[in-house]
Amino acid sequence: AQSVTQLGSHVSVSEGALVLLRCNYSSSVPPYLFWYVQYPNQGLQLLLKYTSAATLVKGINGFEAEFKKSETSFHLTKPSAHMSDAAEYFCAVSPRNSGNTPLVFGKGTRLSVIA
Amino acid sequence: DSGVTQTPKHLITATGQRVTLRCSPRSGDLSVYWYQQSLDQGLQFLIQYYNGEERAKGNILERFSAQQFPDLHSELNLSSLELGDSALYFCASSVEGDARLIYGYTFGSGTRLTVV
Repeated sequence: AQSVTQLGSHVSVSEGALVLLRCNYSSSVPPYLFWYVQYPNQGLQLLLKYTSAATLVKGINGFEAEFKKSETSFHLTKPSAHMSDAAEYFCAVSPRNSGNTPLVFGKGTRLSVIA
Repeated sequence: DSGVTQTPKHLITATGQRVTLRCSPRSGDLSVYWYQQSLDQGLQFLIQYYNGEERAKGNILERFSAQQFPDLHSELNLSSLELGDSALYFCASSVEGDARLIYGYTFGSGTRLTVV
C-alpha cells in the first residue's frame, strides 16, 4: 500500500528563515503527491500537488515542492517564513491510475515560526 | 468557508453512548470521505461514499458506520463509544475520477468529539 513518511513531527524556524518540511513516499511508480495545510481549528487546505511531469511545483502562499524520483521525496519549501505560516502540514499520496483510492496522509509536521 | 459543512463542531459524550456526525459536501461533489485525526495516529481514512454507495473502506471500527443520503449529505455513526474514540473527525468531498486529483479534496472544519 502507498504511504508517505514525514520526517520531524515538529519544526521550528525563525521568521524570515527558510522553511523545509520533508516528505518521502514509498512506491516504485511515481504517485500523485500533495501537500495540505491545517491552520488551528480549521480543516485541511490544498497547498500544492504533483500530478505531471513538472518536478518543481508552486503552490499558494509562496510554498513550493520539488519531486525527486531518485530520492522518492517531495519536500516542501518556502524561502522566507512568516508568522502566519505557523500551522500543521500534511503530505498525502495517491497512486497513479488508482481509480478512487482515497488519499493517504502522513502524520503531519507542526511548523512553529519564532519572531 | 470551504463549502463542506460539518455539524456539530463540538461534541462531548459519555462512554458507551452513540453519536451521529453530519456532513454536507461541496455543491457538485459526489464523493464524501471521512477521516479521523488523533494525536498519535495522524489522519486515518475511515470510509468513502460515492453517490450513495460505499466505495472504499479504511481503518473503520465495526462500532462505526456511515451512509450517504440521496441529497448527498453523509452521516457517520459512532456507537459504544470509548475514551480512545476522542478525536477530530473530518469530512471531505471531491469530484469524481481523475479530476479529484487535479482539484484535490475539500475538507470541512471537523467535529471534535470528546468521550468522557
